[in-house]
Amino acid sequence: GAVVSQHPSRVICKSGTSVKIECRSLDFQATTMFWYRQFPKQSLMLMATSNEGSKATYEQGVEKDKFLINHASLTLSTLTVTSAHPEDSSFYICSARTGASYGYTFGSGTRLTVV
Amino acid sequence: DAKTTQPTSMDCAEGRAANLPCNHSTISGNEYVYWYRQIHSQGPQYIIHGLKNNETNEMASLIITEDRKSSTLILPHATLRDTAVYYCIVSGSSNTGKLIFGQGTTLQVKP
Repeated sequence: GAVVSQHPSRVICKSGTSVKIECRSLDFQATTMFWYRQFPKQSLMLMATSNEGSKATYEQGVEKDKFLINHASLTLSTLTVTSAHPEDSSFYICSARTGASYGYTFGSGTRLTVV
Repeated sequence: DAKTTQPTSMDCAEGRAANLPCNHSTISGNEYVYWYRQIHSQGPQYIIHGLKNNETNEMASLIITEDRKSSTLILPHATLRDTAVYYCIVSGSSNTGKLIFGQGTTLQVKP
């Protein structure tokens, strides 16, 4: 139980375009979701916390106008990378607090490459 | 900032127990210790978590010291598929508690 489905798994886009990443909780309601970014050979860096029906809370140094987060329902959160540039190429991962005994579950990640 | 300290890397022979240490000397009374692992290019996988008692599940055991300032994750019979980066994280039990990842321990299980 407590599966988080993340799509797409891989995306290549041209510089200057926008990319949307979806994260869905399949068998539970996720009032809170988290978005992470991971560069090669580095750890996960928390970008923002999204709460259903309210504005996301961004970590220090994360550009909220560049990384748009929407959490309009209890089962869906989206991250849109706007006007993507090559330096935005990274592995993006979502996570949800499940309410189950193990607390948190993660999506499988999205590999974004901006060319 | 991460609140935990882990060795950068460890090796373990296949079939032997892997003992991964973690220091969390500033842990608060209501913070849990979580262990996750990440296999290359995948999302982190939950292993185990605990508050102050030792815990065991089908994957691993978690030993937490009495003062809660450190813990050890034990994989009883490591296999090659256990090669991964293991993250020890402390987090509050509130509904909006964040998981802040440190650098983790890269465990290499060798034949």
